[in-house]
Amino acid sequence: ETGVTQTPRHLVMGMTNKKSLKCEQHLGHNAMYWYKQSAKKPLELMFVYSLEERVENNSVPSRFSPECPNSSHLFLHLHTLQPEDSALYLCASSQTAIAGVDTQYFGPGTRLTVL
Amino acid sequence: GESVGLHLPTLSVQEGDNSIINCAYSNSASDYFIWYKQESGKGPQFIIDIRSNMDKRQGQRVTVLLNKTVKHLSLQIAATQPGDSAVYFCAEILNAGGTSYGKLTFGQGTILTVHP
Repeated sequence: ETGVTQTPRHLVMGMTNKKSLKCEQHLGHNAMYWYKQSAKKPLELMFVYSLEERVENNSVPSRFSPECPNSSHLFLHLHTLQPEDSALYLCASSQTAIAGVDTQYFGPGTRLTVL
Repeated sequence: GESVGLHLPTLSVQEGDNSIINCAYSNSASDYFIWYKQESGKGPQFIIDIRSNMDKRQGQRVTVLLNKTVKHLSLQIAATQPGDSAVYFCAEILNAGGTSYGKLTFGQGTILTVHP
């Protein structure tokens, strides 16, 4: 295992629901990431946190709201999603967020289906 | 309208053969490249990386080649095994070590199937 866990592994929700995805890393890293992997597009970066501060928001709609309460935990709060938001949501962490310096380690993902 | 998924390139090989997976990257200014492997039900796993000042880098059973002239990256896997079956992604970073915070841009991926 990579040391990055995600819960739940599978989630089905309606468009009016509110749910949250959770990620935890046990590697002592200072940077965490959310990615979206859909059937229609290559893996896309959504958010980057460095030392609990959001340093990158890759033009993600406001119906996705990230939260990083400490360097080990990352959440993605979901509300009023659309069916096209159905995808695999991957969390990753790295020692620092400096590009190309530290390897990103990925969790297994949460498979989200929006009905 | 009807949704259309990605049509990933596929490569089928026999166990013991060498595999070559190709990737065309998008930005000629990218200076750092990574290959990831993603098995079914798992997240991407780092395999090997290469910086733009290198043409070739070798790891255990894997070799990455970089051709900056044509913006092409390849991953060679020696003596391919059934456990190598997965989707393989290349990723690029612009301004590695600078201020672009960990922004990996991924390719669409290639499905490798290894037959025993």
